[in-house]
Order: sequence, then C-alpha cells, then structure tokens
Amino acid sequence: DAKTTQPPSMDCAEGRAANLPCNHSTISGNEYVYWYRQIHSQGPQYIIHGLKNNETNEMASLIITEDRKSSTLILPHATLRDTAVYYCIVRLHNTNAGKSTFGDGTTLTVKP
Amino acid sequence: DAGVTQSPTHLIKTRGQQVTLRCSPKSGHDTVSWYQQALGQGPQFIFQYYEEEERQRGNFPDRFSGHQFPNYSSELNVNALLLGDSALYLCASSSLLLAGSDQETQYFGPGTRLLVL
Repeated sequence: DAKTTQPPSMDCAEGRAANLPCNHSTISGNEYVYWYRQIHSQGPQYIIHGLKNNETNEMASLIITEDRKSSTLILPHATLRDTAVYYCIVRLHNTNAGKSTFGDGTTLTVKP
Repeated sequence: DAGVTQSPTHLIKTRGQQVTLRCSPKSGHDTVSWYQQALGQGPQFIFQYYEEEERQRGNFPDRFSGHQFPNYSSELNVNALLLGDSALYLCASSSLLLAGSDQETQYFGPGTRLLVL
C-alpha cells in the first residue's frame, strides 16, 4: 500500500473551515483515499473516501488533485467536538489485500 | 443496525499469560481485520480474516493468532504476553462479498485496551 504524509498538528478556530492536507505521491491507480478520525483513544471513525472525483457527505468534503498525489479533507464549520487525530490512508478495493496502513495522522485542535 | 462490537473493553494481564479478544462485525459484513495501536501511534495492521481463513498478515510474530467463526465474528489470541503488547486492539469489519461497493469501507469497533504488567 502507498504511504501518506500528513502534518503532525494543526489548529483551527471554531466555526471556521478546517483544511487538512495529505500527500500520497506513490498512490497507484486502483487505490482509494480514505479519511478517518480518532477521538481520545476511541476506535477510528470513518469520515469519507474517494478515488478520483471530489466527494462530499454530511461530515466533510474530500478534494483530490487531478494527479491524485495529494488530497485535502475539509470540515466546513469546525466545532470543538471535531478536535481529534485525523488519518489519511490509501488502500485497495475489490481484493483480499484490504489492509489499511496508518501513519501518525494530524492532530487537529479546534479552539474557541 | 449494530456497528462493530468488541469485548472486553479493558483487560489486565501479566507477562507470559495468554489473552483472547473478541469482535463482532457490523451487520452485513463478512471480513474482519485486527489492528494494534500503541499509545501515541497510528493503528498497525495485524491480520485479516475472510471465509474463516487468514488472508493477509502484517509484521507480527506467530504469538498473534486469530480465528473467524461461521457467523463472521472473530477472535484475536496473543500468547506469551510481553510488556510491549500493551496497546489498544482494534477490530474493523468490511464486506468482500459485496466487493466493489461502498461495503468495502472498513468500520472500526471501540477497541479493547490491554495492559500487560
């Protein structure tokens, strides 16, 4: 699986958009980009995933560059409850090789 | 719709003992993966079970073994516990039967916190 690079920490003001970057320059053509977050040692919570196109759901938006070498997770209106460690991973679909390789993630702190 | 469940939530063992952790996948899922997460680090893949067989394995010694039952639930067994095995053990489920759909998304359970003294 391709590896990802994320900044170790970021701050965001409450109510503002949080933009979390991820670099995955060695991603292969059939690998998806997934985002999870983990709040204080709970299990990781699925946020969103995509292959090529930008995606949006009720939690966030995912912007993937045209060359697919990087992506950005956008939390449009961050709240204090969005403070967490955010993980960007890439993994295959449609195969038994569905393991996920996590890095150390980005610790997002939302401040009042 | 029940999500991924794990038991127990916390466990304390001593070095050399053996431990069994349990996981029930999300309804409709047939694949279970186990991860170990040390304090301050991201989860590390241990292995994945599908159709009651180990399909993929990470860089973990043979002391770590598992099992999947016909109802898709799974157990993680760790023998000869070491202090370094203290961690949060996470179970994630997905569906390979519905491969190609969004059912391949892995959903994680709350984890079992293991402390080895």
